[in-house]
Amino acid sequence: RKEVEQDPGPFNVPEGATVAFNCTYSNSASQSFFWYRQDCRKEPKLLMSVYSSGNEDGRFTAQLNRASQYISLLIRDSKLSDSATYLCVVNTRTNAGKSTFGDGTTLTVKP
Amino acid sequence: GAVVSQHPSWVICKSGTSVKIECRSLDFQATTMFWYRQFPKQSLMLMATSNEGSKATYEQGVEKDKFLINHASLTLSTLTVTSAHPEDSSFYICSARDLTDSRASYEQYFGPGTRLTVT
Repeated sequence: RKEVEQDPGPFNVPEGATVAFNCTYSNSASQSFFWYRQDCRKEPKLLMSVYSSGNEDGRFTAQLNRASQYISLLIRDSKLSDSATYLCVVNTRTNAGKSTFGDGTTLTVKP
Repeated sequence: GAVVSQHPSWVICKSGTSVKIECRSLDFQATTMFWYRQFPKQSLMLMATSNEGSKATYEQGVEKDKFLINHASLTLSTLTVTSAHPEDSSFYICSARDLTDSRASYEQYFGPGTRLTVT
C-alpha cells in the first residue's frame, strides 16, 4: 500500500463546477500536510497547507481528518486556469523532513 | 516566498556523457536540499537528500555512484548524472528548506526543474 494515496482521476469538469479531491495517508506520525499544484512540464507549486481546523483560500478549501488520516481539497466555481495536477504531500517530522507525494490527480476544466 | 533556481533548465546530451545540474537557494540558506526525478505522467520520486557539509542520503534503488550529489554551501547543491543513458532522461527537480523557517510545517521550495534528454 502506498504511503499517500490520491483519487486516481482524471477529473473532467465544466467551468463553474465544484470538484473535490481526496487523499489518504498511512503513517500516523505524519505532521504536516499540503496540497501542491503542478502544471504540465513545470515544478510543483504550493497551493495551500492543510490544518486540522480546515482552511480556506478563496475558492479552495482544505480539510484534514487526523483520526481517519484523510485530507481533502475542494475547488468551487472551477476556472479553466485550475486545470493542472494536484499533489497531496505529507511530511513526517521524524523522517528528516522528507516529503511523501501522492501520485497526483489531474483536473481538466472545460469551457 | 523563497526562491530556488536550477541550471540548466533543459539539456540534451549524448549517451555516456555526464551532466551536472545546479540547485541554488537565492534568498535563503538551505541546510537540506532534496533531489527528485519525475517521469512522464508519474509523480515525483525522491532520489536523495542533500545535506550541507555531509554526504547525501540516497533512497533505496538510487545508485549513489551514478548520481553524484555535492552540497558544498548553504545555497548550492549539485547533482551530476554520470555516464548518462537514455533511460536517465527525465525531469529532475530540486527543493530546499529554509534554515530560518521555525514553523513545524516543513514547507519545501521547489526549483523550476531540469529536463534531461539523453540521446
